[in-house]
Amino acid sequence: GNSVTQMEGPVTLSEEAFLTINCTYTATGYPSLFWYVQYPGEGLQLLLKATKADDKGSNKGFEATYRKETTSFHLEKGSVQVSDSAVYFCALIVNTDKLIFGTGTRLQVFP
Amino acid sequence: EAGVVQSPRYKIIEKKQPVAFWCNPISGHNTLYWYRQNLGQGPELLIRYENEEAVDDSQLPKDRFSAERLKGVDSTLKIQPAELGDSAVYLCASSFTANTGELFFGEGSRLTVL
Repeated sequence: GNSVTQMEGPVTLSEEAFLTINCTYTATGYPSLFWYVQYPGEGLQLLLKATKADDKGSNKGFEATYRKETTSFHLEKGSVQVSDSAVYFCALIVNTDKLIFGTGTRLQVFP
Repeated sequence: EAGVVQSPRYKIIEKKQPVAFWCNPISGHNTLYWYRQNLGQGPELLIRYENEEAVDDSQLPKDRFSAERLKGVDSTLKIQPAELGDSAVYLCASSFTANTGELFFGEGSRLTVL
């Protein structure tokens, strides 16, 4: 079946540190890949997406590259801020099937 | 533009009691989703509507859960009777077209069953 595996959190960083949150997937077919973010007290919102191999999604300084050879879609940011503290969810959708989420990774950024 | 609106935000009930959640999607969004998010887990789809039609309810526990989307706009998710294991956050989302993966979520309704 289709699934997403994320690194466990929490990830704790100091402000301006480099961030990587790992995400790998298993899919039958060619998925589209997504990162969603959930800030404290808010609903999930789409952060970025990539729909085919080697595509790079980017938004708000975050980036993720669709790597078909390693079935990965790792989230990166060069310099995190306190305001980036949130829970990040990797997700995929294949063909017309449902959106499948990973378990989420909590990021805590301290000043 | 208003986002997806859900109510109530929080609900505490005793087991065996009924509970209902309401969702108003973004105007013009034909597809509406109900997800359940258990503590420390990612959201899992319960049901998807295309306009008034439930097109994917394979994960909805039909013995106690029911949902409706009258007139293809607002939706209600009901649990009767609630069990301890139903404690979770119930998320409503909408999208303009189905299964693009680009969903707009509400803030969720947190249910605690005692």
